[in-house]
Amino acid sequence: DSGVTQTPKHLITATGQRVTLRCSPRSGDLSVYWYQQSLDQGLQFLIQYYNGEERAKGNILERFSAQQFPDLHSELNLSSLELGDSALYFCASTRPRYGYTFGSGTRLTVV
Amino acid sequence: GQQLNQSPQSMFIQEGEDVSMNCTSSSIFNTWLWYKQDPGEGPVLLIALYKAGELTSNGRLTAQFGITRKDSFLNISASIPSDVGIYFCAGQLGTGNQFYFGTGTSLTVIP
Repeated sequence: DSGVTQTPKHLITATGQRVTLRCSPRSGDLSVYWYQQSLDQGLQFLIQYYNGEERAKGNILERFSAQQFPDLHSELNLSSLELGDSALYFCASTRPRYGYTFGSGTRLTVV
Repeated sequence: GQQLNQSPQSMFIQEGEDVSMNCTSSSIFNTWLWYKQDPGEGPVLLIALYKAGELTSNGRLTAQFGITRKDSFLNISASIPSDVGIYFCAGQLGTGNQFYFGTGTSLTVIP
């Protein structure tokens, strides 16, 4: 157990729908990062939050949004889903000079 | 975003052989990380490097932070079947920034 909790582990939904992925960072970590990993692809950075505020944005589509709450858990909202959004979505938390600790991911399948 | 070129893309080796893989970038990074990802799981941190020229070991794994700060290397000695997985490098431009990931090296160990 890495200490980073992601739910749900699997999600199957139809095109056009909206889903919410949840992440609880490791205790004491203030930063949360979201990554997308498509089949046979590397990890693509989506967005970073630090202590409730957006810190950096990567290749995140306008249909996607995220937020970090006062208790530091984060949610990634994916709307108007398309087949190409099917992927593994990881969140990671970090502390200085430690690198990322990843959750076990949410596998999203859009049908 | 930043491009990290990781090579080789895949490797098939006999159990007991040594493995070498590397990661290069056009940018100078201040931190390099190496991760291993098993199927369906989140990446797990293997080694973190924070200084140019630094050489760090973790059991049979050794990684080096290149002198130019634009590359890093990972070596695995005496490979075993459980070394199978995808290995990712990740680089960070500055403290607090997101990490950029390489495209991964898929390692297969033949017993």
